[in-house]
Amino acid sequence: DIQMTQSPSSVSASVGDRVTITCRASQGISSWLAWYQQKAGKAPKLLIHTASTLQSGVPSRISGSGSGTDFTLTISSLQPEDAATYYCQQADSFPYTFGQGTKLEIK
Amino acid sequence: EVQLVESGGGLVQPGGSLRLSCAASGFIFSSYGMNWVRQAPGKGLEWVSYIRSSSNTIYYADSVKGRFTISRDNANNLLYLQMNSLRDEDTAVYYCARDGIDRVPFDHWGQGTLVTISS
Repeated sequence: DIQMTQSPSSVSASVGDRVTITCRASQGISSWLAWYQQKAGKAPKLLIHTASTLQSGVPSRISGSGSGTDFTLTISSLQPEDAATYYCQQADSFPYTFGQGTKLEIK
Repeated sequence: EVQLVESGGGLVQPGGSLRLSCAASGFIFSSYGMNWVRQAPGKGLEWVSYIRSSSNTIYYADSVKGRFTISRDNANNLLYLQMNSLRDEDTAVYYCARDGIDRVPFDHWGQGTLVTISS
């Protein structure tokens, strides 16, 4: 199985800051990586697929990059509504696997 | 509007069974692969099972293989998860999630249904 490792596990930043979350796959997954946002008590929401393609309706301050084994999610100018837990997920092969999550707190 | 609505969760004793349902609307259900994903209380996301649009391909996580069965009824836009031999560690919110076109994973999710395994 492909292991997904996210860092950091938590981050605290201020409105307007730039925040970067990284995700590493235990083997190459080309660009088959997705990012999700989950707010407390809610279902996850797809933000980015194929490493860098923004899902419809997701604000452009959110972006993704990477290929192979190393990926990043960047929020360029943090907003209060970005407070959530973020998960990466590999869609290269079954079993699909998720990172452990990164909790983003707004100071 | 795409809607996925899970039902069937509840409290079950260890070793018991439960069947979850997911009612789909707002899209051509028979054209999409579907998944079950779960989340234990306070924990991260765990993919559970996948079924292709025509039911001819099915995958399971090792943690549920041999105990859970995924199925679908394309005529009635329903996805199912039959869960047998339930264990404490199966306690979680269970989400159904649609696979999008062109290998876009989990582009729509239901609100989840809570399954609690306890004696």
